[in-house]
Amino acid sequence: EPEVTQTPSHQVTQMGQEVILRCVPISNHLYFYWYRQILGQKVEFLVSFYNNEISEKSEIFDDQFSVERPDGSNFTLKIRSTKLEDSAMYFCASIHRASSYEKLFFGSGTQLSVL
Amino acid sequence: KQEVTQIPAALSVPEGENLVLNCSFTDSAIYNLQWFRQDPGKGLTSLLLIQSSQREQTSGRLNASLDKSSGRSTLYIAASQPGDSATYLCAVENDKLIFGTGTRLQVFP
Repeated sequence: EPEVTQTPSHQVTQMGQEVILRCVPISNHLYFYWYRQILGQKVEFLVSFYNNEISEKSEIFDDQFSVERPDGSNFTLKIRSTKLEDSAMYFCASIHRASSYEKLFFGSGTQLSVL
Repeated sequence: KQEVTQIPAALSVPEGENLVLNCSFTDSAIYNLQWFRQDPGKGLTSLLLIQSSQREQTSGRLNASLDKSSGRSTLYIAASQPGDSATYLCAVENDKLIFGTGTRLQVFP
């Protein structure tokens, strides 16, 4: 089965530093998502991306966050100046949406620790 | 605003028992509902997807039902095994997935 790939699996950074989380969605998928899960809490929607632009973002996705699809394969999430509360598991997901029978495919996540 | 709730929050059972995990949601305008499995510190594995027009889906020992009008879904696990120990997440989709709080399941030998 095709996979969504995320790198790195773990990222440790100092507060105030910029981080970029990388994702390679499934090749023929058109819709891309970032979710996050703070330890012990729900998986939360951050942003959806289609046709090279953000289609929806949550309240969490403030000016410190940005997403980009720099080429035909990668999809990145950038946090400009990390805060302690950004520590979480970040999941990338993708879907084609040719029909309503499709499921969202998730990557294995990047565990971000902000010190 | 869509809210998804799962009960129980945690469940510990002996091997072999049949289990029912419950999920409820507040807005019935959904495309589909998915059940996921999450192992500690790991990603999300999709178990079953039920279209909004469907009543249930089955995969092996797993059966998920959906009653959209009442905003409820159940995940039935037959003959539970220690390998089923994980957190089970319910999520409803309408443009994006909204996740529930999860049920943490432990099956002991």
